[in-house]
Amino acid sequence: AQSVTQLGSHVSVSEGALVLLRCNYSSSVPPYLFWYVQYPNQGLQLLLKYTSAATLVKGINGFEAEFKKSETSFHLTKPSAHMSDAAEYFCAVMRYNTDKLIFGTGTRLQVFP
Amino acid sequence: DAGVIQSPRHEVTEMGQEVTLRCKPISGHNSLFWYRQTMMRGLELLIYFNNNVPIDDSGMPEDRFSAKMPNASFSTLKIQPSEPRDSAVYFCASSLTQGVGYEQYFGPGTRLTVT
Repeated sequence: AQSVTQLGSHVSVSEGALVLLRCNYSSSVPPYLFWYVQYPNQGLQLLLKYTSAATLVKGINGFEAEFKKSETSFHLTKPSAHMSDAAEYFCAVMRYNTDKLIFGTGTRLQVFP
Repeated sequence: DAGVIQSPRHEVTEMGQEVTLRCKPISGHNSLFWYRQTMMRGLELLIYFNNNVPIDDSGMPEDRFSAKMPNASFSTLKIQPSEPRDSAVYFCASSLTQGVGYEQYFGPGTRLTVT
C-alpha cells in the first residue's frame, strides 16, 4: 500500500534560514506526490505537486521539492524562511488508480525572528 | 471563483443530537471529498464522490455517519446521533479529475464540538 512518512512533527527555524521539511514515500508504482500547507483555522492549500515530469518541482511562496527515487524522498525546501511561512505542512501521495490522497501526519513549522 | 464553501463554520451540539454539515464544491468540479481532522488521528478521508456517485466510503467510521450528494453543487455529511468523540474539524474538498495528479481544493472546514 502507498504511504508517506513525515519526519519531525515540529521544525523551528530563524527568519532567513533554510527550511527543510522531510517526506519519504512508500510505493511500488510511480507515485503522484503533493505538499499542502495549512494556516491556522484554514483549509489546506496546495504548495506543489509531482506527477512524473521534472524531478525538481517549484511551487508557490518560494517553496520547491525534489523527487528522489533512489531515496524514496520528496523533501520540501525554501532557501529563506519568512515569518508568514509559519504553518502546518502535509505531504501526501495519491493512491494508485484512485482519486484518494493519503496524507502524512504533518509538520508544524515555527519561524522565529 | 468563490472556492469550496462549507457551512456552518462552527457547530456546537449536545450528545445525541443530529448534525448536518454542508458543502458546495467549486463549479465544474466532478469529485468531492469529505475529510475529518483531529489531533489524535490527523487527516482522514471519510468518503468521496465522483460525478455525484459515492465511490469509496471505507473511511466512514460507523453507521451514525452518512453522506449524500444529490447534485453536482451540493453535498451533506450527517451524524446521527452525535457523540463527543465526533468532535473534530470536517473538511470538504473538490477536484476536477481529468488527467493525472489533479489538485484537491479544500474548504475552510466546519469545527464541530459535541458536548
